[in-house]
Amino acid sequence: DSGVTQTPKHLITATGQRVTLRCSPRSGDLSVYWYQQSLDQGLQFLIQYYNGEERAKGNILERFSAQQFPDLHSELNLSSLELGDSALYFCASSVAGTGDGYGYTFGSGTRLTVV
Amino acid sequence: AQSVSQHNHHVILSEAASLELGCNYSYGGTVNLFWYVQYPGQHLQLLLKYFSGDPLVKGIKGFEAEFIKSKFSFNLRKPSVQWSDTAEYFCAVRAPHNTVTTSGTYKYIFGTGTRLKVLA
Repeated sequence: DSGVTQTPKHLITATGQRVTLRCSPRSGDLSVYWYQQSLDQGLQFLIQYYNGEERAKGNILERFSAQQFPDLHSELNLSSLELGDSALYFCASSVAGTGDGYGYTFGSGTRLTVV
Repeated sequence: AQSVSQHNHHVILSEAASLELGCNYSYGGTVNLFWYVQYPGQHLQLLLKYFSGDPLVKGIKGFEAEFIKSKFSFNLRKPSVQWSDTAEYFCAVRAPHNTVTTSGTYKYIFGTGTRLKVLA
């Protein structure tokens, strides 16, 4: 157990639907990062939150959004789902949002299958 | 734009063979470098990291990596692999964001991963 909790572990949904993925960071970590891992794209950075505020944005589609709540857990919302959104979605956390070179702690991921 | 390249997408080795996985990055400034491992069905775990100092970094499970600044490389090595090393390996670079909205904002860039299969 890495200390980063992601739920659900698996999700199967139909095209056009909307889902919410949840992440609880490791205790004491203020930053949450979301990554999408697909077979052809590798690990793609989506978005980062630090202490409730959006800190950085990567290749995140407009159909996707995220937020970090006061208790520091984060949710990634995926809407108007397409078959190509099927992937493993990882959440990672770290202590700081800037100048943190100590690496991430990753959750186990949520495997999303869009049918 | 910064990028990380892992040229070997799939590697198959027999047990006891030596391993070297290539990682090259494109960024001219100071970077922090990492190797992560993802065992089947598990989350990504940090293998080793380089910040500064000795360019030869020792990690867990007998892995090491060498930072060669002139080659922009951070190759992962292990003298003798085991069946349990079967996993996917990701190289990552921590570098400043292209568009810095707050000072000292960094991002991590991952390579596309190398799938290692070790035959017993």
